[in-house]
Amino acid sequence: GAGVSQSPSNKVTEKGKDVELRCDPISGHTALYWYRQRLGQGLEFLIYFQGNSAPDKSGLPSDRFSAERTGESVSTLTIQRTQQEDSAVYLCASSLLGPEETQYFGPGTRLLVL
Amino acid sequence: GQNIDQPTEMTATEGAIVQINCTYQTSGFNGLFWYQQHAGEAPTFLSYNVLDGLEEKGRFSSFLSRSKGYSYLLLKELQMKDSASYLCAVIQAGFKTIFGAGTRLFVKA
Repeated sequence: GAGVSQSPSNKVTEKGKDVELRCDPISGHTALYWYRQRLGQGLEFLIYFQGNSAPDKSGLPSDRFSAERTGESVSTLTIQRTQQEDSAVYLCASSLLGPEETQYFGPGTRLLVL
Repeated sequence: GQNIDQPTEMTATEGAIVQINCTYQTSGFNGLFWYQQHAGEAPTFLSYNVLDGLEEKGRFSSFLSRSKGYSYLLLKELQMKDSASYLCAVIQAGFKTIFGAGTRLFVKA
């Protein structure tokens, strides 16, 4: 596609439910990143995929968070047993080869946990 | 530890010049990015510095001093549309990208 796309654009869920967020990177981009941005705050790194290498999961805040990527395409971020503090915008980005190149961001998924 | 510091907010006048500073302490260094983020939108790329010095691109310039752990973004001929948050991001050793909290710039007429 022309850019990074994410779905859903908005998600409202009840505390304790699981949610799955999807990211479609720019075609041909080998690197994919997930970030979390709370209201009025900066981006918080969650996880980074590079080609077929093991992902860098060092930013995942708890074991309720997990992410997968199929080859060099779609990625899903799953949050289990959501908590109110999970409410944030979840941004996905991709870059052609790696972090030393421009990251192109998707529009984000706005998650609200009631 | 790792830390990126930017001013929280700045205000400047249309047509003026503004400099947004960023200082960092990170585990290794593999480059520094500046991104612009308008309210409710995703960040977009402005500049990338990996060597010391000034990179100029139209009305925007970015400077890096690796020895001082310091960068600035310079915006000239400010326009109202430049009102946004400006995010400083450092690529650490291991290639993890760390973002600062961002500087909210308000441009007034």
